[in-house]
Amino acid sequence: KQEVTQIPAALSVPEGENLVLNCSFTDSAIYNLQWFRQDPGKGLTSLLLIQSSQREQTSGRLNASLDKSSGRSTLYIAASQPGDSATYLCAADSWGKFQFGAGTQVVVTP
Amino acid sequence: DTAVSQTPKYLVTQMGNDKSIKCEQNLGHDTMYWYKQDSKKFLKIMFSYNNKELIINETVPNRFSPKSPDKAHLNLHINSLELGDSAVYFCASSRETVTDTQYFGPGTRLTVL
Repeated sequence: KQEVTQIPAALSVPEGENLVLNCSFTDSAIYNLQWFRQDPGKGLTSLLLIQSSQREQTSGRLNASLDKSSGRSTLYIAASQPGDSATYLCAADSWGKFQFGAGTQVVVTP
Repeated sequence: DTAVSQTPKYLVTQMGNDKSIKCEQNLGHDTMYWYKQDSKKFLKIMFSYNNKELIINETVPNRFSPKSPDKAHLNLHINSLELGDSAVYFCASSRETVTDTQYFGPGTRLTVL
């Protein structure tokens, strides 16, 4: 059974610093891995999706890497801004089911 | 234009009641999902439908019954509500079942008193 863990559970950084969010999964047989952002009281917004054959995906200030052999994915957010404050979740797609981590709550202070 | 919408946004009800949550997507996607986010913020898949056919049914009490009248709609009906059903329920959709980005609705916060 796939288990997804996100460390740290919470992170606070000053504006301008780079953010590094970690996601680990136990079953490397995944179809893809997706990163989401959740704002308080709102739904999830998809940020990046990495197919199992890919090593990374980039969108603007966001870069996500995937290492299936070690069961890890990392989300990098460059030059963080207060608007990046949110909870970030990763989800591993195994056998058609997305298994979510508990998320990392990020606060970027001005 | 809202891609995935859910109604209602908030639902407060008494134990034992029956309630429904509606979901609609205007993305032309083939697959729709229901997720439950508990108080610890864990998101767990409940159901998945592809072209109106049930393809994933996780270990969910049979008090929960999804209904897909067409590809664009996936409703969730819950019978005999219990306190433990209190959670936020998210609907999502994707173009295909395993390879595509999932798009989520805003969630429905269900509170059972």
